[in-house]
Amino acid sequence: DTAVSQTPKYLVTQMGNDKSIKCEQNLGHDTMYWYKQDSKKFLKIMFSYNNKELIINETVPNRFSPKSPDKAHLNLHINSLELGDSAVYFCASSQSIGGSWVEQYFGPGTRLTVT
Amino acid sequence: QKEVEQDPGPLSVPEGAIVSLNCTYSNSAFQYFMWYRQYSRKGPELLMYTYSSGNKEDGRFTAQVDKSSKYISLFIRDSQPSDSATYLCAMSARSGGSNYKLTFGKGTLLTVNP
Repeated sequence: DTAVSQTPKYLVTQMGNDKSIKCEQNLGHDTMYWYKQDSKKFLKIMFSYNNKELIINETVPNRFSPKSPDKAHLNLHINSLELGDSAVYFCASSQSIGGSWVEQYFGPGTRLTVT
Repeated sequence: QKEVEQDPGPLSVPEGAIVSLNCTYSNSAFQYFMWYRQYSRKGPELLMYTYSSGNKEDGRFTAQVDKSSKYISLFIRDSQPSDSATYLCAMSARSGGSNYKLTFGKGTLLTVNP
């Protein structure tokens, strides 16, 4: 009965490869997010979707492409992986209307290592 | 100047101590102020949030906001070893539509020693 789940938990790959991370939430929330946490624990938002619509798109290389097939899912595809992409990627969700929008529920993270 | 500044520590205290964690910010548009706790290799979890200046208490935790000084604090009373974690402050300002973007501090690593 995990609220926000991510797959895979660990991802080790070589430079230049393309990889995807998947996120699912079973909280019935209408907003989902991708965050990147670097080696110094700095957590920074990358993207946010509300009802499958992209609403936040921070300064992120266009090698990163989010996709939201429905309100409960948000995937992140990364092309041509670089060493600097190594980080922990967190998915989160919240309810923007009629809910506690400020409370974002985070997934367990996907630890990406690019070699 | 970064929007949110937080001393990364590390901070090490004995069990039972009162812990004070702080953040400063520069963006006057921030309306809501949050504290997240993150255990090692886990996702952040929301501890408390507030949107006004003053204090908010929840058990052993007290969040304090001073908007005039752009300064927020989290106090932990009677700290326990289970409080050992990284504490992240976060702030939000409306960001398009009806959704809010969270801007995080860098986090303070706290260790409570038995």
